[in-house]
Amino acid sequence: KAGVTQTPRYLIKTRGQQVTLSCSPISGHRSVSWYQQTPGQGLQFLFEYFSETQRNKGNFPGRFSGRQFSNSRSEMNVSTLELGDSALYLCASSPRTSAYNEQFFGPGTRLTVL
Amino acid sequence: AQKITQTQPGMFVQEKEAVTLDCTYDTSDPSYGLFWYKQPSSGEMIFLIYQGSYDQQNATEGRYSLNFQKARKSANLVISASQLGDSAMYFCAMREDNYAGGTSYGKLTFGQGTILTVHP
Repeated sequence: KAGVTQTPRYLIKTRGQQVTLSCSPISGHRSVSWYQQTPGQGLQFLFEYFSETQRNKGNFPGRFSGRQFSNSRSEMNVSTLELGDSALYLCASSPRTSAYNEQFFGPGTRLTVL
Repeated sequence: AQKITQTQPGMFVQEKEAVTLDCTYDTSDPSYGLFWYKQPSSGEMIFLIYQGSYDQQNATEGRYSLNFQKARKSANLVISASQLGDSAMYFCAMREDNYAGGTSYGKLTFGQGTILTVHP
């Protein structure tokens, strides 16, 4: 079974631009969560999607948005990029069928904002 | 609000020895889950072990065990017989259980991580 895939793996953008990151969950997983990892703030939760609906949201500005498609694939968008948005963006999928719903992470997209 | 604290920025251990990575947490939710993840330099987060707040016994997964002390709100990871490949960043995380339709979901709150270095 293929794992969580994220594209692109690396991205360089300039301030003010926007960016879209993609995440394909493990087959059969319907829950997708996004996290931002930076050296200063560590790992922070962005949002969670299940059945195309946002179920939970972290404390990030409205420039960060996401969506989920009917095949469970998810995208996140960051508009008007700032230098502080440089980070590793991790996507995780979950089957939501077990008692504890382990999250399986993808390799991440490393975003650099110049 | 949930909080996870990992007080050891870095730990060193000799190959084949055991090591304990500390994790304390704070939550007012009676139902929660505790996770440990390993993050090698490649960046991918690898699930190691899980402990539910109502589990009576400490979780074990191969060389990994979780020393769960609920009253003290601690969930330390014990790695036995360390290997060179265990060198990585280790994160403790907590999930607050929100029940909908009989399954739990929710965000993970992570600690700051501990860098483990295994010496030959």
